[in-house]
Order: sequence, then structure tokens, then C-alpha cells
Amino acid sequence: EDKVVQSPLSLVVHEGDTVTLNCSYEVTNFRSLLWYKQEKKAPTFLFMLTSSGIEKKSGRLSSILDKKELSSILNITATQTGDSAIYLCAVDSSFGNEKLTFGTGTRLTIIP
Amino acid sequence: SQTIHQWPATLVQPVGSPLSLECTVEGTSNPNLYWYRQAAGRGLQLLFYSVGIGQISSEVPQNLSASRPQDRQFILSSKKLLLSDSGFYLCAWTIGYGYTFGSGTRLTVV
Repeated sequence: EDKVVQSPLSLVVHEGDTVTLNCSYEVTNFRSLLWYKQEKKAPTFLFMLTSSGIEKKSGRLSSILDKKELSSILNITATQTGDSAIYLCAVDSSFGNEKLTFGTGTRLTIIP
Repeated sequence: SQTIHQWPATLVQPVGSPLSLECTVEGTSNPNLYWYRQAAGRGLQLLFYSVGIGQISSEVPQNLSASRPQDRQFILSSKKLLLSDSGFYLCAWTIGYGYTFGSGTRLTVV
């Protein structure tokens, strides 16, 4: 059974701090790892990491995939209150059909 | 452009009543379609996925069923809702790399 584990489950930091969110996975057929940000409704896409693109950066957010350690981190620098959300990690496993296995998410709260 | 529509946005249903949630996709053909559920305080759980019309795979035994009567239509149903069916239901699609989610339906069973 595919498994994705995220840590910490929740995190409270002050505005301006830097945070690192963790994701580890055990899947039978890894294809890619995705990070999403979920505020009130549907998750919004942040990054996709594959064996050919193990580091992505967009503004204050960056993510690295460690295929050897079967893990990924999501870094957010100079956090802002708008970064408060649940951050979801998901792994796309392909065995004939693409499907995502999600972690439980990390709830990030930024205190002004 | 490719869009996904999911409705209704919120739903309050009594225990034992039937359920029908609908999801439609525009701007693409033959997508893989998915139903996810997010219980309060928990991550997304895959319920069903479909790679084509009439083809449904179930990930978790439950009180729900899914159907795909048309290429771009995916329906989540129940004959009799349970309290444990409450949650946030999300439809998603992909035609390869990358997934797009609908806006979700918050279902409360009372």
C-alpha cells in the first residue's frame, strides 16, 4: 500500500520566519511528487518534482526532492500571514493508471 | 481552456437519505477522473478513479459508489448516507502530469 507521511502535523511561527515542511513516501511505482496549498477549498498546485527536476523555486517557496531518501521538503522564507494554510504533499504512482496518494498535510499558521 | 465544475458547494443531508454529487470537465478529452474525500483535520483520501467511460476503480470499501456515464462527467452517489460520510469531497482530473481540482463539496450528514 502506498504511503505518504508529512511532518510536522501543525506549525505556528511568526511572520518573517523561515519554515521547512517535510514529506516522506513509500510507493511501489514513483512517478512524481507534488506539493499543494489548501486554504479554504480546493488545493492549489505549487510544485511538481520528478526524477528529472528535483528542485523547484517560485518566489519565497522552494522544494527539493531526495529520491535516495524518498523524501521532499518545502521551504518558505520570510513567511507572511497569507502563507497560513494546509500544505499537502502527494505522490503520483503509476501502475497503468495515474493516481495520487496524499499525506495528511501540515497546518501552517503565521502569527503577525 | 480546461475547467472543472463541481456542485453543489455545500450540502446538508439527513442520515439515510441518498446522495448525488456531480463533476464535469471542459476543454479536454478522455481525462482520468478522481473523487477524493477529506475528513475534518485529515488529508485527502482517494475514493474512486476512472480512466474511461464506465470504468471505475474503488480504493476504499464504503457506502459510496461512482459512475462515469460520459467522458467528462463523474458522479459520486450513495443510496443511504451515514454520519461518517460527512466531509469535504473533491473531484479532480488529469490527462498526464499535473492534477486540477474542483472547488469541492462540503457534505454534512445530520
